[in-house]
Amino acid sequence: RKEVEQDPGPFNVPEGATVAFNCTYSNSASQSFFWYRQDCRKEPKLLMSVYSSGNEDGRFTAQLNRASQYISLLIRDSKLSDSATYLCVVKGGGYNKLIFGAGTRLAVHP
Amino acid sequence: NAGVMQNPRHLVRRRGQEARLRCSPMKGHSHVYWYRQLPEEGLKFMVYLQKENIIDESGMPKERFSAEFPKEGPSILRIQQVVRGDSAAYFCASSTGAGDYGYTFGSGTRLTVV
Repeated sequence: RKEVEQDPGPFNVPEGATVAFNCTYSNSASQSFFWYRQDCRKEPKLLMSVYSSGNEDGRFTAQLNRASQYISLLIRDSKLSDSATYLCVVKGGGYNKLIFGAGTRLAVHP
Repeated sequence: NAGVMQNPRHLVRRRGQEARLRCSPMKGHSHVYWYRQLPEEGLKFMVYLQKENIIDESGMPKERFSAEFPKEGPSILRIQQVVRGDSAAYFCASSTGAGDYGYTFGSGTRLTVV
């Protein structure tokens, strides 16, 4: 079983749509959680941290359920510029290394 | 304040040659992480180093791959006798080793083995 699992997509949505990504992780000792964004042939960039209380950054909302070992990302009012691969990332349970999911591709079309 | 710097950006090697990838961490950071991304795949952890120490090398292939982070200078990921399967993007990230935050990555080195 992979440590971090994501639906690979792709998700093809029109501009203005709301889209949700889900992720599960296997190590219950994991301590920190993040969503990264990766554009084609670029480095991954931190989008936001994820907290149990839920957190929001503009059109982006992240949620963590520790009991279910489940992480989500909601994007409202999608823009063309949101097209990218979204990576679910978990840290902890060892040497502070980040463990990446394989990513979910999002394509926003006009 | 420069971010994580990696060079070269692109590297072409013939099968059997050696590849050396360099990573200069952000100022004040003494922890470096190397990741590999094969085409159409996610990032895979390779190795975690502090200055002059390898902390976790559980993701490193057993042969041909080595990493170092000397007291002075950048961290080096070295691949000996490269094969076509080594073609990938290699990313480096750095941190202070403290705090509960995500890491910033360099722009990566794209290795192509011909």
